[in-house]
Amino acid sequence: GENVEQHPSTLSVQEGDSAVIKCTYSDSASNYFPWYKQELGKRPQLIIDIRSNVGEKKDQRIAVTLNKTAKHFSLHITETQPEDSAVYFCAASSESGGYQKVTFGIGTKLQVIP
Amino acid sequence: KAGVTQTPRYLIKTRGQQVTLSCSPISGHRSVSWYQQTPGQGLQFLFEYFSETQRNKGNFPGRFSGRQFSNSRSEMNVSTLELGDSALYLCASSLYRLAGGNTGELFFGEGSRLTVL
Repeated sequence: GENVEQHPSTLSVQEGDSAVIKCTYSDSASNYFPWYKQELGKRPQLIIDIRSNVGEKKDQRIAVTLNKTAKHFSLHITETQPEDSAVYFCAASSESGGYQKVTFGIGTKLQVIP
Repeated sequence: KAGVTQTPRYLIKTRGQQVTLSCSPISGHRSVSWYQQTPGQGLQFLFEYFSETQRNKGNFPGRFSGRQFSNSRSEMNVSTLELGDSALYLCASSLYRLAGGNTGELFFGEGSRLTVL
């Protein structure tokens, strides 16, 4: 089955700096790579995603890159703000018969220091 | 539009008991999946249901089971509870289109926090 490794497990950055979280996956059939943000005590919410036919996607201060050959993808947050503090989960998803199976990484706890 | 609703939000059980958790997906979402969240293991996939049928299953023992009803509401059951089953159980729904399959985005509920004593 799919295995998703995520690192670092914790990350502290100064407000205004950039943060990078990296993930690798094992199943070459995975074709959808979402990132979820979970604030303390709240539900995970999708912040950005990328499909296998795209190498990079940006949404304001957030960007995701995908290298299918190396089977890794990364989340980049620029100009970090205190409200970016949360746990971030990467995931890899493959579809079988139209139904997806999502495998999550272990999560990265990001702390933005004001 | 109402979000994903999970009940109960909190519950305490003792070892050996069984528990049933409920999930009501977003209206129109026919796919429901369940995840176990623990501090050390992150989000682990339990199973996914679509049209009352289990489509995918994670690597959990047979004590973990689920079902989905015709209105897409889903339940999961854990029998013979163990201390290690203490976790936050998250349900997520997603939109499945006949043309194109699953759209991908998971909409999570707030979870049911289970404590096993």
